[in-house]
Amino acid sequence: KAGVTQTPRYLIKTRGQQVTLSCSPISGHRSVSWYQQTPGQGLQFLFEYFSETQRNKGNFPGRFSGRQFSNSRSEMNVSTLELGDSALYLCASSPGQHPYGYTFGSGTRLTVV
Amino acid sequence: DQQVKQNSPSLSVQEGRISILNCDYTNSMFDYFLWYKKYPAEGPTFLISISSIKDKNEDGRFTVFLNKSAKHLSLHIVPSQPGDSAVYFCAASARGSQGNLIFGKGTKLSVKP
Repeated sequence: KAGVTQTPRYLIKTRGQQVTLSCSPISGHRSVSWYQQTPGQGLQFLFEYFSETQRNKGNFPGRFSGRQFSNSRSEMNVSTLELGDSALYLCASSPGQHPYGYTFGSGTRLTVV
Repeated sequence: DQQVKQNSPSLSVQEGRISILNCDYTNSMFDYFLWYKKYPAEGPTFLISISSIKDKNEDGRFTVFLNKSAKHLSLHIVPSQPGDSAVYFCAASARGSQGNLIFGKGTKLSVKP
């Protein structure tokens, strides 16, 4: 059974640019959540999608957005990149009903220069 | 305000001995708790979970204990192996949280041969 796939693994972008990250969940999983990990803040929740609808959103500025497609694949977009957006971005999939656990992908390491 | 706290940033244990990682939480709405293991630049790997209706859950060398009155949980690893060396995260979720896992800051476990 394939795990959660995130692409690309690494990205280097310049301040002011925008970036799109992709996540393919485990087959059959309808929920995809996104997290940002930084040394200072740890793992922080960005948002969650279930059946193409955003069900929950964390405390991040509107520059961070996402979407989910009918096949449950998800993308997140960060516009007007700032140096502080450099982080490991992780996506997690689950069947979508509490209290299932969440399976994480390997992440995308974004560096903003 | 941290809702999930792992007060020990690091822990060093001898191979073959018991490792005990601790986690405290403040939100009484949390009803599901998970432990993840993480290596640098990789996504967290699920280890074990526990529902608030239980006080103990075992899976091989890993046991999680939950003390609801103290809002405290712990992960026991017996016996510890050098391959267990990683950062361990405690996470909590509440019904209706829609994908939002609240993570502690992690404890770095080093198991010495």
